[in-house]
Amino acid sequence: SAVISQKPSRDICQRGTSLTIQCQVDSQVTMMFWYRQQPGQSLTLIATANQGSEATYESGFVIDKFPISRPNLTFSTLTVSNMSPEDSSIYLCSVDGAGTDTQYFGPGTRLTVL
Amino acid sequence: GNSVTQMEGPVTLSEEAFLTINCTYTATGYPSLFWYVQYPGEGLQLLLKATKADDKGSNKGFEATYRKETTSFHLEKGSVQVSDSAVYFCALKRTGNQFYFGTGTSLTVIP
Repeated sequence: SAVISQKPSRDICQRGTSLTIQCQVDSQVTMMFWYRQQPGQSLTLIATANQGSEATYESGFVIDKFPISRPNLTFSTLTVSNMSPEDSSIYLCSVDGAGTDTQYFGPGTRLTVL
Repeated sequence: GNSVTQMEGPVTLSEEAFLTINCTYTATGYPSLFWYVQYPGEGLQLLLKATKADDKGSNKGFEATYRKETTSFHLEKGSVQVSDSAVYFCALKRTGNQFYFGTGTSLTVIP
């Protein structure tokens, strides 16, 4: 299994600002995924990030709002831009397990927007 | 389309009680099925999985059987402990990397 860390673990932000969340994996992985978990709800995939190419966004999510970087095979960032209270969620990154069909998740970043 | 429906929570049980959390799915073809657990303040951890019909996944005393005829993957444990208190997510994966998660079921076990 992969060990995944995220920074920050939580933050409280003001409306209209942006926050960049970092995701670090202890091994090289091809694909990294970013999810949102809104209060009391399930996980929703935001985008898939491949190293060396543009991220692929799911329906309802756009690059201007959630820009993603993937500079190498162990690291990715997700920025939540121009935040509003509706962006208050837990944001999780995940990776595919090597040679398996399982995804492994980071501990999440709990974001509150005032 | 693909979707997962989970039993609504929250669920509160006494220690050593029997646990069932229902999960049904809708999918084309033959998905892989998963249960993930999220302990307070932590990320999701894989609890168990099954990749084909009639497979039984098991881990830490939890079991779930992939039932194609009823499109179900119910989670069971014979005797829960306080340390099992967490949120449990059922999920499916079709070809590719797309996971579909249920809404989660919160379990609280009281001594």
